[in-house]
Amino acid sequence: QVHLVESGGGLVKPGGSLRLSCAASGFSLSDNYMAWIRQAPGKGLEWLSYIGGSTNTIYYADSVRGRFTISRDNARNSLFLQMNSLRAEDTAVYFCARDLGGGNTWPEGYFDYWGQGALVTVSS
Amino acid sequence: EIVLTQSPATLSLSPGESATLSCRASQSVSTYLAWYQQRPGQAPRLLFYDASKRASGIPARFSGSGSGRDFTLTISSLEPEDFALYYCQHRSTWPPAWTFGQGTKVEIK
Repeated sequence: QVHLVESGGGLVKPGGSLRLSCAASGFSLSDNYMAWIRQAPGKGLEWLSYIGGSTNTIYYADSVRGRFTISRDNARNSLFLQMNSLRAEDTAVYFCARDLGGGNTWPEGYFDYWGQGALVTVSS
Repeated sequence: EIVLTQSPATLSLSPGESATLSCRASQSVSTYLAWYQQRPGQAPRLLFYDASKRASGIPARFSGSGSGRDFTLTISSLEPEDFALYYCQHRSTWPPAWTFGQGTKVEIK
């Protein structure tokens, strides 16, 4: 059974950093693209980043490129999001999600399993 | 970047009624569109992908249709657990930018 569990959320001051983790079980991280998606309070969903399962292919949304870094540790079956230079508008629940496809050339682009989310609050 | 516009913003209906939700893309996306359901305090759940392919475990009262720019999610007879937020999402082939609509809330009338 596929399960994703995020951790590492919390309160951070503007300009600060935070690292989110996503522990995966029930499948091998190396078999799928994985994504981070966020949802600001009372707002819609925003895709942030994708990383290939067994490749180093990475994509970022313009809103986080240069500030956020996605990575994975296949041996630990875990996904990470390093967030630097945080701003108030980064306040959101951050979800990790598995790509529906099983390939590694290009994401299928749909998200079939999601974690429960980690709340990140950026405030002084 | 593809922009998805969902309508209406809110749909007020009673249990047992049918619901029709719309999603319009700013340009043709073929059938590269998904629908998600999000209940309060929960993560989104994939309902349909490629416009009309039902995800695992999704009840038959849900149906997805459309192609090009216009897509529809239909719930034939609303159950209490169907009152939730629904999002459409575009599957990008290029550039690498995956976008969501702003959502439609289905609420109890």
